[in-house]
Amino acid sequence: DTGVSQNPRHKITKRGQNVTFRCDPISEHNRLYWYRQTLGQGPEFLTYFQNEAQLEKSRLLSDRFSAERPKGSFSTLEIQRTEQGDSAMYLCASSGSGPSYNEQFFGPGTRLTVL
Amino acid sequence: AQTVTQSQPEMSVQEAETVTLSCTYDTSENNYYLFWYKQPPSRQMILVIRQEAYKQQNATENRFSVNFQKAAKSFSLKISDSQLGDTAMYFCAFMKQLDGTALIFGKGTTLSVSS
Repeated sequence: DTGVSQNPRHKITKRGQNVTFRCDPISEHNRLYWYRQTLGQGPEFLTYFQNEAQLEKSRLLSDRFSAERPKGSFSTLEIQRTEQGDSAMYLCASSGSGPSYNEQFFGPGTRLTVL
Repeated sequence: AQTVTQSQPEMSVQEAETVTLSCTYDTSENNYYLFWYKQPPSRQMILVIRQEAYKQQNATENRFSVNFQKAAKSFSLKISDSQLGDTAMYFCAFMKQLDGTALIFGKGTTLSVSS
């Protein structure tokens, strides 16, 4: 499978715990995006990497959230001291360069439930 | 700031019929991209069709076509010969014509195709 993969697919945690999600983009893609999607809503942008550089962060990305892409390949999104309001689907997308740079390919998402 | 509005939360259509999903957006940009993404139940989001704002010709992809009205800031999706597999959440999305910017999504329209 050469698509975007995300792990875990589901995560249930208790309020106050830390969680970490992983995203593996399409191998030749240098751009990686994180979005959050709550029930019945469209995805909302969180952050964006070009290679290993984090170039943009949304105001939605509070201090409890941190994202990394250390070698310009996979990325991790960590949420510290989770709150019930963090319950959502976390989507990762990647895109390449060239004529199709604006097409983002999405992974299946990680569904987070905070109890 | 850019906004995307989808005014139809739910729509239904019979197999083989045609359905049109509406989308309006607001932006002060002159160059941008518009997209329709499809998110089937419990499956990942995929790109349906893309439109560059500088192109006057409406994009088409097999049974899917758009009606892009730049002055009215309207971008509707027409699905012809609807199939059961078209059942999904459809999101309209906007992207500025800059390298690596985020997608801004509408709230989505749930389309149900019945036999």
